[in-house]
Amino acid sequence: EIVMTQSPATLSVSPGQRATLSCRASQSVSTNLAWYQQRPGQAPRLLFYGASTRATGIPARFSGSGSGTEFTLTISSLQSEDFAIYYCQHYSDFPTFGQGTKVEIK
Amino acid sequence: EVQLVESGGGLVQPGGSLRLSCKASGFNFSSYWMSWVRQAPGKGLEWVGTIKNDGREKFSVDPFKGRFTVSRDNAKNSLFLQMDSLRVEDTAVYYCVRDGLLVTAWFDPWGQGTLVTVSS
Repeated sequence: EIVMTQSPATLSVSPGQRATLSCRASQSVSTNLAWYQQRPGQAPRLLFYGASTRATGIPARFSGSGSGTEFTLTISSLQSEDFAIYYCQHYSDFPTFGQGTKVEIK
Repeated sequence: EVQLVESGGGLVQPGGSLRLSCKASGFNFSSYWMSWVRQAPGKGLEWVGTIKNDGREKFSVDPFKGRFTVSRDNAKNSLFLQMDSLRVEDTAVYYCVRDGLLVTAWFDPWGQGTLVTVSS
């Protein structure tokens, strides 16, 4: 099983500031990596697939990067609706998720 | 609009069974692999199992093998999760998700989820 580790567990950021979230795989997953956003009380929503391809309707302030074992999700200027939990997931074989990073208002 | 709607959740006693359903619309259901993902209260996301588009092959991991069975009815655009020998730790929201075409991929979209509570 490929283990996905996200850091930090919680990120406190002021509105308008930049947020950088990390996801590490225990072995290479190439670019078979997705990011999801989950707002309170809602189902997760796809943000990125292929590590860096933005899903339909995702604002340009979100960007994804990385390959192999190291991945990054960046939100360039946090808006109120961006405060949520973010999960990475690989699909290189049996999928596994990271434990999530909660982005909270500072 | 691509949509997934789950049903069938509820309260069940430990050792009991439950069958979840997911009705798909807005896409060619029979072309896509489909999966179930769960989320225990206050916890993260956990993949439960996947079924190929033709239903001939299914994938899961040890915590669920032998207890949970994924199936589908392409004629009815429906996905199912049969859960047997339920445990308290199976309490979670269960999401139906669309997987990939021909291979497992990212999950999009997600249903709204159905809550399963295992308790005596």
